[in-house]
Amino acid sequence: DQQVKQNSPSLSVQEGRISILNCDYTNSMFDYFLWYKKYPAEGPTFLISISSIKDKNEDGRFTVFLNKSAKHLSLHIVPSQPGDSAVYFCAASLSGSARQLTFGSGTQLTVLP
Amino acid sequence: KAGVTQTPRYLIKTRGQQVTLSCSPISGHRSVSWYQQTPGQGLQFLFEYFSETQRNKGNFPGRFSGRQFSNSRSEMNVSTLELGDSALYLCASSLSGGRGTFFGPGTRLTVL
Repeated sequence: DQQVKQNSPSLSVQEGRISILNCDYTNSMFDYFLWYKKYPAEGPTFLISISSIKDKNEDGRFTVFLNKSAKHLSLHIVPSQPGDSAVYFCAASLSGSARQLTFGSGTQLTVLP
Repeated sequence: KAGVTQTPRYLIKTRGQQVTLSCSPISGHRSVSWYQQTPGQGLQFLFEYFSETQRNKGNFPGRFSGRQFSNSRSEMNVSTLELGDSALYLCASSLSGGRGTFFGPGTRLTVL
């Protein structure tokens, strides 16, 4: 039972354009969501997070949107850069176990120069 | 500020052996959690420790265990290794009241 889903295994975007990575969840009790970027053989790098009391959080080129009614979140990267090429994971947690993260399967983003 | 460190970075073991992995959290972080990443199952939560106590545990067999020391450093142990235990094992640390979780570089375990 996959509670956090990233349905697109891969995404290719031209440098300078917007990258939109999507994530769906099924557990309505999740109240905190995070995005991580990961290179092979390295640990995930924290990018941005959002609490369920918000619908948007912005940090530089990264913006996360949360649609609670649709149980959907997305990560926007603008403008995309070749160095953004990596696997992106979304993760979710419950308030009672804040540090037990449930991860999606990841999306490989390739930014083409 | 130093990040999460894990040792060793690479490890090769044979079936039936046991292994101990070590993690040092970010200074000031008292929560340490462990994750397993495999191609088939993705990133899965193993367990979390806070103030030397296990607070949460994922759906893994009892061969997987861990502990945390008074300085917040943590170890995880896998006994009677199986081929399927080959994975990247990630340690993450968090502030006691914070929601951000920061990962170390991982230990790549290969079981032959």
